[in-house]
Amino acid sequence: AAGVIQSPRHLIKEKRETATLKCYPIPRHDTVYWYQQGPGQDPQFLISFYEKMQSDKGSIPDRFSAQQFSDYHSELNMSSLELGDSALYFCASLIVGVQETQYFGPGTRLLVL
Amino acid sequence: SQQGEEDPQALSIQEGENATMNCSYKTSINNLQWYRQNSGRGLVHLILIRSNEREKHSGRLRVTLDTSKKSSSLLITASRAADTASYFCATVYNQGGKLIFGQGTELSVKP
Repeated sequence: AAGVIQSPRHLIKEKRETATLKCYPIPRHDTVYWYQQGPGQDPQFLISFYEKMQSDKGSIPDRFSAQQFSDYHSELNMSSLELGDSALYFCASLIVGVQETQYFGPGTRLLVL
Repeated sequence: SQQGEEDPQALSIQEGENATMNCSYKTSINNLQWYRQNSGRGLVHLILIRSNEREKHSGRLRVTLDTSKKSSSLLITASRAADTASYFCATVYNQGGKLIFGQGTELSVKP
């Protein structure tokens, strides 16, 4: 069965650089969620999209932006990277009204030097 | 954490023993879920319990939910070394809504 795909799996950037993380949800899933997990921390909700529209927003810095495209894949754009942005970034997807469990991708590990 | 407390923060037991982890949350929920994570890797969904359910079983896992106390517990019976991982509870407040994670319990099962 198809799973959520995230790319890249690992990313190393310098401070003040930009990064783009990509998420490809399971086919026919209409909702995508982004979570950030810092070292030793619990995952924190960043933002979600339903049918290509932003549906909820959490503790996402203004330096970050995200969108969901017509093919339902989503991208998280991170600018002016800071050391504190080093974290594991998860994407999850589901079909609203049909599924209760979010299906998580393997995550992208971002290291900012 | 956005949610509440999980306790204990760390738990060390011997293989064959039972492990119990607790989670508290702050407001009314639609459902509560438990996840497992091995050493900073991916999140693995273990079990979901709805707000109108009080107990649920899946293999060696038993989850309880007390909505009056806004708390849940996860019991892993007959633990194995392979159960060593971090365990997180996460609540959902409305269908299709975001997951709000607890702080996690780091479980170590010694052979």
